[in-house]
Amino acid sequence: GAVVSQHPSWVICKSGTSVKIECRSLDFQATTMFWYRQFPKQSLMLMATSNEGSKATYEQGVEKDKFLINHASLTLSTLTVTSAHPEDSSFYICSALLARRNTGELFFGEGSRLTVL
Amino acid sequence: SQKIEQNSEALNIQEGKTATLTCNYTNYSPAYLQWYRQDPGRGPVFLLLIRENEKEKRKERLKVTFDTTLKQSLFHITASQPADSATYLCALDIEGNNRLAFGKGNQVVVIP
Repeated sequence: GAVVSQHPSWVICKSGTSVKIECRSLDFQATTMFWYRQFPKQSLMLMATSNEGSKATYEQGVEKDKFLINHASLTLSTLTVTSAHPEDSSFYICSALLARRNTGELFFGEGSRLTVL
Repeated sequence: SQKIEQNSEALNIQEGKTATLTCNYTNYSPAYLQWYRQDPGRGPVFLLLIRENEKEKRKERLKVTFDTTLKQSLFHITASQPADSATYLCALDIEGNNRLAFGKGNQVVVIP
């Protein structure tokens, strides 16, 4: 099956620093990737849609200057949490849509746990 | 407002029995509905997709039904095994462009 890899799987940083999370589709091309955030015992919340070669589309209430998304190639999307604060601590998960298959099935990465001190 | 509701209480079930989970939604008109499995600290894994014109879908020991009139989907795990213990998430497409809205999930614990 299609594999999506996230890196790092966990990161601890100081308040005010920026953190970059990578999402790679390892064995397929993904023109579209999605970034989700999940707080403990809560549902996954869609943050933004990342399209290769164009600007990301953000969901209502998500600050685009706070969460910078870059989808530079068909296999890589990055999420940068800028000037992170403790309230940004969360589990960030990316997913990718298989370009050549239009079934709606998403392949998720293993997630990246961010802890801001 | 839009809601996707799954039972917040964990479902404890004896091995070999059928586990049934419910997903109810309001103010959505999804073209399809999906079910995912999520283990602690891991990303979701796709299980099944059912379209609005389908009543039932099966995959091995899993069965999903979709009632667009009731705005409800039922997810069944037959002959449950301890390895089926996980949280199961219901997800709906938003406006048909592969964006998904998720429920909070329903934990299943299969007791040997």
